[in-house]
Amino acid sequence: AQKVTQAQTEISVVEKEDVTLDCVYETRDTTYYLFWYKQPPSGELVFLIRRNSFDEQNEISGRYSWNFQKSTSSFNFTITASQVVDSAVYFCALDNYGQNFVFGPGTRLSVLP
Amino acid sequence: DAGVIQSPRHEVTEMGQEVTLRCKPISGHNSLFWYRQTMMRGLELLIYFNNNVPIDDSGMPEDRFSAKMPNASFSTLKIQPSEPRDSAVYFCASSFPNLAYQETQYFGPGTRLLVL
Repeated sequence: AQKVTQAQTEISVVEKEDVTLDCVYETRDTTYYLFWYKQPPSGELVFLIRRNSFDEQNEISGRYSWNFQKSTSSFNFTITASQVVDSAVYFCALDNYGQNFVFGPGTRLSVLP
Repeated sequence: DAGVIQSPRHEVTEMGQEVTLRCKPISGHNSLFWYRQTMMRGLELLIYFNNNVPIDDSGMPEDRFSAKMPNASFSTLKIQPSEPRDSAVYFCASSFPNLAYQETQYFGPGTRLLVL
């Protein structure tokens, strides 16, 4: 069965600190997608990234970066120089190419000024 | 573009009633997703369509739920009959693959459903 674990329920950091959100997944499939989503306090959902299991290259987008390691079944998300606007719940998800889509429970990040 | 449009934004109904949620994707997008979010179950993908065809409906909870996409600009999610446990926020999203084969999903504001 597929499973996504986000062991960090809540994280608090002070503005400008770097923070890494962990995501560990379980799947028997060799082909799959991994995702990160953001949900700010306003409740909207924001798509951040989709990563194909064939592509283990790290991704950087501005202050955001993602580290995908198949060897440890992890897809961690790092925010560099965090800002108050980064405060949100972040969800990691796993999709085995349309067969089953699983979300993690989310990590609530609070960035304090 | 107006973004993904969902209607209604809020719906209150009584148990046993039929509920229809609507979504208009961004023009030109070829994939459409329906998600549900509850406190108890968290976020779930219910179904997604590609080129109007349902690709993965494994998340649809039971026969009371049905989703259709009669054309590229409209989709419905119907619950018949509704039950209190269907109370949730339902999000619709649409996407289109860019040159990097990244399919950025754009979300609608959600429909908050309360079944009494």
